[in-house]
Amino acid sequence: DTAVSQTPKYLVTQMGNDKSIKCEQNLGHDTMYWYKQDSKKFLKIMFSYNNKELIINETVPNRFSPKSPDKAHLNLHINSLELGDSAVYFCASSRGAGDTQYFGPGTRLTVL
Amino acid sequence: GDSVTQMEGPVTLSEEAFLTINCTYTATGYPSLFWYVQYPGEGLQLLLKATKADDKGSNKGFEATYRKETTSFHLEKGSVQVSDSAVYFCALKEAGGFKTIFGAGTRLFVKA
Repeated sequence: DTAVSQTPKYLVTQMGNDKSIKCEQNLGHDTMYWYKQDSKKFLKIMFSYNNKELIINETVPNRFSPKSPDKAHLNLHINSLELGDSAVYFCASSRGAGDTQYFGPGTRLTVL
Repeated sequence: GDSVTQMEGPVTLSEEAFLTINCTYTATGYPSLFWYVQYPGEGLQLLLKATKADDKGSNKGFEATYRKETTSFHLEKGSVQVSDSAVYFCALKEAGGFKTIFGAGTRLFVKA
């Protein structure tokens, strides 16, 4: 039973396209996160939702939009993809905001 | 703002060698401190944590002590194995806040 799952695992697309990454957690956690990890492994927080409410919204281009339909799901939609968006995107969840985080396996996005 | 600084890698060791990965932090108040590990192709997972000064976190032979006086949380293991090869992230949760701030990660290679 996967605790935090993401789909797809790999995503290859052309510049200018719009794409979505889905995340689901079955841990009963209240808080979910999106991170971007670059090629040097640097991890940057993008967004966080607590009980479906946005609590962290870092300096991220408006092309990125999170959506939390319920506490168990947090999706990431990206408009007008650019080369610099290529990275691994990780979803995570925690019992409460700032508690130990459980990470998904990551989605490797490649923009051509 | 709060920040985490950890030693640059990669760190290359022979099996059974002693490991230290340095981590220092800058924070207001008393943050919680974490070490996460990322094995190749996977998401991050919690290795150990400490929530107050002088606490020692330990797991799988790894340990780290929360040192308020030196603002440090160095990771140590007495005898590394090839299976410990991974990227290690030091992190802190802001005191009274939601955000977890990650260090840049330190890649460890262990040779047989």
